[in-house]
Amino acid sequence: QSALTQPASVSGSPGQSITISCTGTSSDVGSYNLVSWYQHHPGKAPKLMIYEVSIRPSGVSDRFSGSKSGNMASLTISGLQAEDEADYYCSSYTGVSTLGSSTLAIFGGGTKVTVL
Amino acid sequence: QVHLQESGPGLVSPSETLSLTCAVSGASINNYYWSWIRQPPGKGLEWIAYIYDNGITDYSPSLRGRVTISKDTSKNQFSLTLNSVTAADTALYFCARVPPIAVPSYFDSWGQGTLVTVSS
Repeated sequence: QSALTQPASVSGSPGQSITISCTGTSSDVGSYNLVSWYQHHPGKAPKLMIYEVSIRPSGVSDRFSGSKSGNMASLTISGLQAEDEADYYCSSYTGVSTLGSSTLAIFGGGTKVTVL
Repeated sequence: QVHLQESGPGLVSPSETLSLTCAVSGASINNYYWSWIRQPPGKGLEWIAYIYDNGITDYSPSLRGRVTISKDTSKNQFSLTLNSVTAADTALYFCARVPPIAVPSYFDSWGQGTLVTVSS
């Protein structure tokens, strides 16, 4: 299975809202409400920001929200802050094919968010 | 608060075996699923393997046959071995925790990652 498709970069000014898209197929994003998003500051541990499309773990700012339509999921960051500058990755559960050849989990290529 | 720490050699020779360990603190390894994920330089993340609370394992089809995930409950840690490595296995390797729900669908805690370079 190919990786999920994300834009390489997205930028915005402080206080603005940005949206990162994550495009998959009917075999992954489109079939399951099991999309998650991760924030990664290089050199640090990645952090879970959203799971099951739109659920925020405890401690994650409500400026982060997730949604899905068809084969595309999205992460929106509202009220952009300097600390939001990081790499963001989406992931989807892919299920198990009858041939047992599914990867079970697939990631996007990552989006670098820059705060101008 | 759970903490995961990867350890292992930073340099592995081609055709040799890569071995990594993830030490877990703040959570019992018996109560969760666990996973390895890697990131080749300049590329995105790639899922490698799961080990479930009952010891059953799942592997990426692209690595199946070369990779083994295991756990040591007495030390509260889990491990990854990857045989016959090539330069394509050069990557930042992460260990991660997976909530033990019906299907393994997200990673709620991660280690910082350990860089493994395959080179002679």
